[in-house]
Amino acid sequence: DVKVTQSSRYLVKRTGEKVFLECVQDMDHENMFWYRQDPGLGLRLIYFSYDVKMKEKGDIPEGYSVSREKKERFSLILESASTNQTSMYLCASSALQGDNEQFFGPGTRLTVL
Amino acid sequence: AQSVTQLGSHVSVSEGALVLLRCNYSSSVPPYLFWYVQYPNQGLQLLLKYTTGATLVKGINGFEAEFKKSETSFHLTKPSAHMSDAAEYFCAVILVGGGSYIPTFGRGTSLIVHP
Repeated sequence: DVKVTQSSRYLVKRTGEKVFLECVQDMDHENMFWYRQDPGLGLRLIYFSYDVKMKEKGDIPEGYSVSREKKERFSLILESASTNQTSMYLCASSALQGDNEQFFGPGTRLTVL
Repeated sequence: AQSVTQLGSHVSVSEGALVLLRCNYSSSVPPYLFWYVQYPNQGLQLLLKYTTGATLVKGINGFEAEFKKSETSFHLTKPSAHMSDAAEYFCAVILVGGGSYIPTFGRGTSLIVHP
């Protein structure tokens, strides 16, 4: 069964902390994505990567960075967490070829106090 | 550029009633179209997709959608709602040959099913 896993389902951090969210996929997909999901706003793309060590900004990259050192792993980093980054974070992956269907992880609900 | 509009942030139906969730898109080139479902506290999973061929596509759990190019629509239907269908539904579009593999998502429609 194909899978995208995320390191935590729930996370509580304090303002100013550095936060790491990790995502791993086992489908050998080239593309990986980080979204945040907020009520009424749908999914907003933070960053994406189409290859190891490659990254591109999405629609809302401010306050975030990413790392992709291995094909299967894509990390989202909040350098200094703020309360407005409290949200649900979703990781997804897709193949470069074909119809680009996305496979999602279960999500991480981050609360910044 | 592409965009997706889901009409109605909430749709409420009775158990056993028809489900209709609306999705319209704008695209200058042929699109790939997707419906994803998100159950509470879970990630999104694919419900169905249209790429090429038959315009009426069937998905999991009895859902289907029809691609209507003239109406730029891809509405999701199910003949008889079940309580377990209560979830958030997202429509998404990818441009074919547009050089991008990044989908544009609608804002989502929350389906509420009453007993």
